[in-house]
Amino acid sequence: DSGVTQTPKHLITATGQRVTLRCSPRSGDLSVYWYQQSLDQGLQFLIQYYNGEERAKGNILERFSAQQFPDLHSELNLSSLELGDSALYFCASSAGGRDGSEAFFGQGTRLTVV
Amino acid sequence: GEDVEQSLFLSVREGDSSVINCTYTDSSSTYLYWYKQEPGAGLQLLTYIFSNMDMKQDQRLTVLLNKKDKHLSLRIADTQTGDSAIYFCAEYQGLKGGADGLTFGKGTHLIIQP
Repeated sequence: DSGVTQTPKHLITATGQRVTLRCSPRSGDLSVYWYQQSLDQGLQFLIQYYNGEERAKGNILERFSAQQFPDLHSELNLSSLELGDSALYFCASSAGGRDGSEAFFGQGTRLTVV
Repeated sequence: GEDVEQSLFLSVREGDSSVINCTYTDSSSTYLYWYKQEPGAGLQLLTYIFSNMDMKQDQRLTVLLNKKDKHLSLRIADTQTGDSAIYFCAEYQGLKGGADGLTFGKGTHLIIQP
């Protein structure tokens, strides 16, 4: 158990809908990262938050957004969903934001868009 | 091209050593990681190596880093059926171009033959 909790584990929704994925980081970790894993793209970094502030953006679509709350949990919002958004979405947390300290991953949320 | 490259499959006999290779392109990478992903599960951090190290050993795992060739390898001694998984190599470059997450390879699927 990595200590990172993601909910829900599975999500099935229709195209055009909006969903929210939730992540609780390990106790004490200030950084939260979101990743998307798909068969064709592999693991792609989406976005990072550090202590409530957006730290860095990767390959995140404009239809996607995220936030980190004062209690450090994070949510990834996916809107206007398309079939191609079907993927495994991982959250990871780490203690630091710039020092390359190891990131621990949650079990992921499997999103299926039908 | 890809920042991090790995072979897609490696097949070994139970009890033999497995060597999973990875090449990366950015010489400024500060940390290099190996993650394990079992079917239906999240990513588990196995080990990591700082860029000023050549080797790191942790029980059955040995990581070798050749900075000159930008080559990273993971050796698993006495491979067991429980080692069957996908192994991801990842690099951390620090805050670069706004992207602060890890860059992953596509993963190497380790197949254990009885």
